[in-house]
Amino acid sequence: EVQLVESGGGLVKPGGSLRLSCAASGFTFSSYTMNWIRQAPGKGLEWVSSISSSGDIYYADSVKGRFTISRDNPKNSLYLQMNSLRAEDTAVYYCAREVLLQRDYWGQGTLVTVSS
Amino acid sequence: DIVMTQSPLSLPVTPGEPASISCRSSQSLLNSNGDNHLDWYLQKPGQSPQLLIYLVSNRASGVPDRFSGSGSGTDFTLKISRVEAEDVGVYYCMQTRQTGALTFGGGTKVEIK
Repeated sequence: EVQLVESGGGLVKPGGSLRLSCAASGFTFSSYTMNWIRQAPGKGLEWVSSISSSGDIYYADSVKGRFTISRDNPKNSLYLQMNSLRAEDTAVYYCAREVLLQRDYWGQGTLVTVSS
Repeated sequence: DIVMTQSPLSLPVTPGEPASISCRSSQSLLNSNGDNHLDWYLQKPGQSPQLLIYLVSNRASGVPDRFSGSGSGTDFTLKISRVEAEDVGVYYCMQTRQTGALTFGGGTKVEIK
């Protein structure tokens, strides 16, 4: 069974940093592109970043230069290092597996709150 | 970036009746292979989003056949032939035509009358 479990969310002050993790199981993690997608409270979905199996990386303009996506294939883990956090980064962050351009499995999400 | 516009914002439905959601993109989602890169997701209350439809009209695994998708270019539609109570939630379209700049529609909230 495919499982994606996010962790690392919490309360952080503006300008601070946080590192999110996504533990994957039930599939060959190294073979898949992985995504981070976020949802601000009461709002819609926003794609944040993706990393392919070969290491190609993309970021939304809203996080470029501040967030860094990475993966550790032996540990079946996906990460999102978030620096220079702003109030508008407050959201539930989901990791999602991508196959043939579709996000077919999503985790339950982890909440990041940026507030003083 | 490609802007995705959904309508309506809210859709009250009667169980057993059909429902339809529109999604329009600011640029064509048709690629050189002839595929339109448009997917539909459903986020049920309190849950993570789930894939419903991919490449306009292909139902994801386990999705009932009362869900169907259509369209091409910039205009797309998700239809539910007979709405059931379990179909409530927010429906999102998403374009994957522009690699590295993926965008979602604003969402359509489906609720039972």
